[in-house]
Amino acid sequence: AQSVTQPDIHITVSEGASLELRCNYSYGATPYLFWYVQSPGQGLQLLLKYFSGDTLVQGIKGFEAEFKRSQSSFNLRKPSVHWSDAAEYFCAVGSYSGGGADGLTFGKGTHLIIQP
Amino acid sequence: ETGVTQTPRHLVMGMTNKKSLKCEQHLGHNAMYWYKQSAKKPLELMFVYNFKEQTENNSVPSRFSPECPNSSHLFLHLHTLQPEDSALYLCASSQDGRVGSEAFFGQGTRLTVV
Repeated sequence: AQSVTQPDIHITVSEGASLELRCNYSYGATPYLFWYVQSPGQGLQLLLKYFSGDTLVQGIKGFEAEFKRSQSSFNLRKPSVHWSDAAEYFCAVGSYSGGGADGLTFGKGTHLIIQP
Repeated sequence: ETGVTQTPRHLVMGMTNKKSLKCEQHLGHNAMYWYKQSAKKPLELMFVYNFKEQTENNSVPSRFSPECPNSSHLFLHLHTLQPEDSALYLCASSQDGRVGSEAFFGQGTRLTVV
């Protein structure tokens, strides 16, 4: 069974500083990987996803993530954070059984705090 | 606005009550999902419907009963819940249920069981 680990429960970053959120996955085959963001009181919004091809994936809001198979990682990065980036970030892995709809397996999330 | 609407946004219910959560999507998607989000725990997939057929039930207690009358609507019927069932319940939809299709989430229903 697949699993996702986000080792950092909270991260505090100064506005304008760079950001990296860690994600490690466990999956037997080539994973389908996602990053979602959840603002307070809101649902989840997809930031970016990786299926195959270029291991550096660009997403919305200036985010990017790099897939590293050797490290089983899919870390999320942003060169300069804005106060509006404060939110909960979730890494997720998807599988395809070929039998129809499959849900995603999520990590516990990382709470991002932005300091002025 | 993601195109997935959940009602109500907040719900407080007693352990003997019966209530229903509603999810509606206007995206033309064929797969719909219920997730449970509890504090300090990962999102838990509860149910999956693909083309109105339930394809997954992740060992969810029978006090949770899903219903999918058509591809646009998904319900979660609740009865005799426990306080530990208090959580944010999220509905999502995707084009056709394949892992490659993006899941769009509603804003969730915050459920409190007293």
